[in-house]
Amino acid sequence: AQKVTQAQTEISVVEKEDVTLDCVYETRDTTYYLFWYKQPPSGELVFLIRRNSFDEQNEISGRYSWNFQKSTSSFNFTITASQVVDSAVYFCALSEAFLAAGNKLTFGGGTRVLVKP
Amino acid sequence: NAGVTQTPKFQVLKTGQSMTLQCAQDMNHNSMYWYRQDPGMGLRLIYYSASEGTTDKGEVPNGYNVSRLNKREFSLRLESAAPSQTSVYFCASSEGRGGTGARNTEAFFGQGTRLTVV
Repeated sequence: AQKVTQAQTEISVVEKEDVTLDCVYETRDTTYYLFWYKQPPSGELVFLIRRNSFDEQNEISGRYSWNFQKSTSSFNFTITASQVVDSAVYFCALSEAFLAAGNKLTFGGGTRVLVKP
Repeated sequence: NAGVTQTPKFQVLKTGQSMTLQCAQDMNHNSMYWYRQDPGMGLRLIYYSASEGTTDKGEVPNGYNVSRLNKREFSLRLESAAPSQTSVYFCASSEGRGGTGARNTEAFFGQGTRLTVV
């Protein structure tokens, strides 16, 4: 069975501070996908990034960066120079890659980030 | 593009009532999903349809049924609502391809339906 753990339930920072969200996963699959989604106060789920298990290259997108370490089964997310608009709940998720499974997602419990001005 | 559209956005039911949540996507995706979100528990998969004509149970299917009406539409039915089904429900779709080199495997979500059962 797959499992995703986000140990931090809530993180509070002051604007311009960096914040790192931890994500640890468990899977028996050799090929899988990892995702991060953002859920702002308005409630919708916004896709941020997808990472394939066979590609361990880290990625940076503006103020967002992701550190994928297969050896420790972790896929951490860092927001650099946080802004109030980053306040949201962030979810890490995992899916297997098998075609017939339809890429269904296993979510972590989410980390609420509160950025104070 | 509208993406994934769910109706209704809000609903209050009495215990024992039935209702159907509707979901439609216009991205020509093969796979569709229903999740529920409860405080502190993330999203949990209720049912999914890997492709048109197929449906399968997810992690929490009890008390629900689904219908993949066609490639675009995937509905979720509560036959006899219970207070434990009070939740926010999300429909999602994805292209559904896997394997190395696959593209566009992220899921796109609807706006959610906030359901309260009293």
